[in-house]
Amino acid sequence: DAGITQSPRHKVTETGTPVTLRCHQTENHRYMYWYRQDPGHGLRLIHYSYGVKDTDKGEVSDGYSVSRSKTEDFLLTLESATSSQTSVYFCAISEGGTYSNQPQHFGDGTRLSIL
Amino acid sequence: DAKTTQPPSMDCAEGRAANLPCNHSTISGNEYVYWYRQIHSQGPQYIIHGLKNNETNEMASLIITEDRKSSTLILPHATLRDTAVYYCIVRVGYGGSQGNLIFGKGTKLSVKP
Repeated sequence: DAGITQSPRHKVTETGTPVTLRCHQTENHRYMYWYRQDPGHGLRLIHYSYGVKDTDKGEVSDGYSVSRSKTEDFLLTLESATSSQTSVYFCAISEGGTYSNQPQHFGDGTRLSIL
Repeated sequence: DAKTTQPPSMDCAEGRAANLPCNHSTISGNEYVYWYRQIHSQGPQYIIHGLKNNETNEMASLIITEDRKSSTLILPHATLRDTAVYYCIVRVGYGGSQGNLIFGKGTKLSVKP
């Protein structure tokens, strides 16, 4: 299995508080992604990174920010959490991006509940 | 929206081959077909991918029709641990999302003893 660790695995917090999720990889892959999964919506891309300090928005980026200061770490931050951000969050990594057929590999997810 | 169509559910007897179909009639010439599965509460697991030739690895085989409008994932000897939702995905190739995967609803495969 790809060396991807997501932390925390579970978190419960209150509306309005800041939350940071961490994705750590040991594969030295260039590309990293954050998805959220909700019933009826499947997986949706939030943000992605194509290198250190290089990030871009995905399909559902509003309310989220990301940072990548090291190849191995990709952080997802909810500046002021809302109940609509209750979800399961998955991190993925891949060696190649758009012009590569390399697959993405996923972590085990973070289950986030915002009360 | 997903560019693929899959049956919502399938059953398979343990030890038998599971054949999961996928329709992708609008696939472009340079788009790959990927298969992932997701076992309850876990992250999606990559299975296999291909462009136009049939592919086989330790997990499964992928058969793509000559016109590339459909494909079949074959699990040769299904076990109870293969019970999962299987996603067929056509890779979105260009633009700002750097290889974004669009997951549809998938096929819920139930392997029964």
